[in-house]
Amino acid sequence: EVQLVESGGGLVQPGRSLKLSCLASGFTFSNYGMNWIRQAPGKGLEWVASISSSSSYIYYADTVKGRFTISRDNAKNTLYLQMTSLRSEDTALYYCARQGIHTMGITAYFDYWGQGVMVTVSS
Amino acid sequence: DIVLTQSPALAVSLGQRATISCRASQSVSISRYNLMHWYQQKPGQQPKLLIYRASNLASGIPARFSGSGSGTDFTLTINPVQADDIATYYCQQSRESPPTFGGGTKLELK
Repeated sequence: EVQLVESGGGLVQPGRSLKLSCLASGFTFSNYGMNWIRQAPGKGLEWVASISSSSSYIYYADTVKGRFTISRDNAKNTLYLQMTSLRSEDTALYYCARQGIHTMGITAYFDYWGQGVMVTVSS
Repeated sequence: DIVLTQSPALAVSLGQRATISCRASQSVSISRYNLMHWYQQKPGQQPKLLIYRASNLASGIPARFSGSGSGTDFTLTINPVQADDIATYYCQQSRESPPTFGGGTKLELK
């Protein structure tokens, strides 16, 4: 069974940093591109970042480019999101999501999602 | 960015057909591939993939869900609607980066 379990969220002051983790199990992690997607309270879904299976290709939403860094450790089956210079508008539930196996090109759909981890940016 | 537009809500009776639409600001099709996907999200839960590439049922999804469309206009159909289907439904395109989502359609009981 595919499982994605996020951790590392919490309350943080504006301008500070936070690092999220996503532990994957139930599939060969090193074969799949991975993504972070967020959802502000009561709002819709926003893709944040993606990373290819070997970390060769990394993409970011314009809203986080230069502030967030996605990475992965295939030996530990873990995906990361380092978030710096956090803003109130970054407040959201952050989901880790696996790239769908029938993805074409560089832009994916998402076939499995974690339960999400909440990040609240407030003074 | 490709903008996806969905109606905010749809009221339906149990046992009836629900048709949820999604319109893209530009074509999301390449050749015979229609790069539109659908997700279901229940309150307090993560999104779940229902349909990929417009018409392909994801693993474990009941056959009462189906998808259709091409170019800029896509539809998710639930027939018949069951109580467990009350949720918010999102479309998402993967034709261009960044991947974008529609605003969601909340399926409600009439």
